[in-house]
Amino acid sequence: QVQLQESGPGLVKPSETLSLICTVSGGSISDYYWTWIRQPPGKGLEWIGYIYYSGSTNYSPSLKSRVTILLDKSKNQFSLKLSSVTAADSAVYYCARATLWFGELLPMDVWGQGTTVTVSS
Amino acid sequence: DIQMTQSPSSLSASVGDRVSITCRASQAIGNDLGWYQQKPGKAPKRLIYAASSLQSGVPSRFSGSGSGTEFTLTISRLQPEDFATYYCLQHNTYPWTFGQGSKVEIK
Repeated sequence: QVQLQESGPGLVKPSETLSLICTVSGGSISDYYWTWIRQPPGKGLEWIGYIYYSGSTNYSPSLKSRVTILLDKSKNQFSLKLSSVTAADSAVYYCARATLWFGELLPMDVWGQGTTVTVSS
Repeated sequence: DIQMTQSPSSLSASVGDRVSITCRASQAIGNDLGWYQQKPGKAPKRLIYAASSLQSGVPSRFSGSGSGTEFTLTISRLQPEDFATYYCLQHNTYPWTFGQGSKVEIK
């Protein structure tokens, strides 16, 4: 049973870079799309982007200039970096898996528990 | 971006009721839609994929229908554990976009 676990600082200063890691256990990182989603306090869900096992990425245009998602196959981990953060980036950040189903990419069947990141000085 | 509009935004219902939530897309998305359930403090859980396919392990009282621009999530007989917020998600066009959520509360 694959499990995902987010880790990283819970507090980031404005203008700095938010960095999170998602560790994948109980399964292979191969052949899946690894995704980040966030949810500001009391608000809805926002898709940030994903990375495929091959290393190809797809980012939300609204965040593309500030986002980098990387994959570390040796550690079965993928990561999120969000630069130049402001208070608007405060949210619960989730990592999740997307899968191929008969050649079609289906979003997020397995999720991490989420980690809260607050942007404040 | 494709806008996903859910209705209602909230509803009150009783155990045993039949509940339906609608999700409308600002442009046609085929059947590229999923439904998620989220309880307070927890990660979302996928209920439905490809508009009408039931996720393994999800009770059969949940069903999805629709294609194109209008989709529906139906809970046939509401159970106490179903009180939660429900989100639709389109993955036809990037960026993937969620509806704003529909909160199902106890009457």
